Amino acid sequence: DAGVIQSPRHEVTEMGQEVTLRCKPISGHDYLFWYRQTMMRGLELLIYFNNNVPIDDSGMPEDRFSAKMPNASFSTLKIQPSEPRDSAVYFCASSFGGMTRAYEQYFGPGTRLTVT
Amino acid sequence: RKEVEQDPGPFNVPEGATVAFNCTYSNSASQSFFWYRQDCRKEPKLLMSVYSSGNEDGRFTAQLNRASQYISLLIRDSKLSDSATYLCVVKRRYFNKFYFGSGTKLNVKP
Repeated sequence: DAGVIQSPRHEVTEMGQEVTLRCKPISGHDYLFWYRQTMMRGLELLIYFNNNVPIDDSGMPEDRFSAKMPNASFSTLKIQPSEPRDSAVYFCASSFGGMTRAYEQYFGPGTRLTVT
Repeated sequence: RKEVEQDPGPFNVPEGATVAFNCTYSNSASQSFFWYRQDCRKEPKLLMSVYSSGNEDGRFTAQLNRASQYISLLIRDSKLSDSATYLCVVKRRYFNKFYFGSGTKLNVKP
């Protein structure tokens, strides 16, 4: 089975540019999570969706960040404009909220973002 | 106070040793508990869920102590390949927010 797919794997961009990160969750999973990981702050939950609906975006750092999930198999995280402090690894994860193995999250390989 | 706290380590142990990590959580309404491992520059991978009665998967044993609000992970007969950072994850009841600990680094040496 294909796991969570993220693209691009690496992104280098200049300050002020728009960055779009993409995620395809595992088929059948109804939860999708976006995380950011840095050495200083560890793994932080940015936003999560249930059945394509954003449930909690309290972790989104500021208005420069936005996320969408137009359908069950695709989500985007957009940063506009990007800043050097946004440099981090961004992970997407998905899980199934059913009774069996509920909420076990499976992570994609991450997008390593560098903003210069 | 952080939701989830872990000793960052590193724990340096020889091959074949038994090592245990604890993870404390602050909210008594926490419902679900997990251990993940993360290799350097890789994504976190689910190691095991932690059940109320405790559970074992091969050389790995996870326990939950609700009274003292901590979970533990025991690794027996450590292998070189066990070297990684182990993340404790807690989910609150009624909310689908997951809180990650900062991780405990394990180095297994020959």
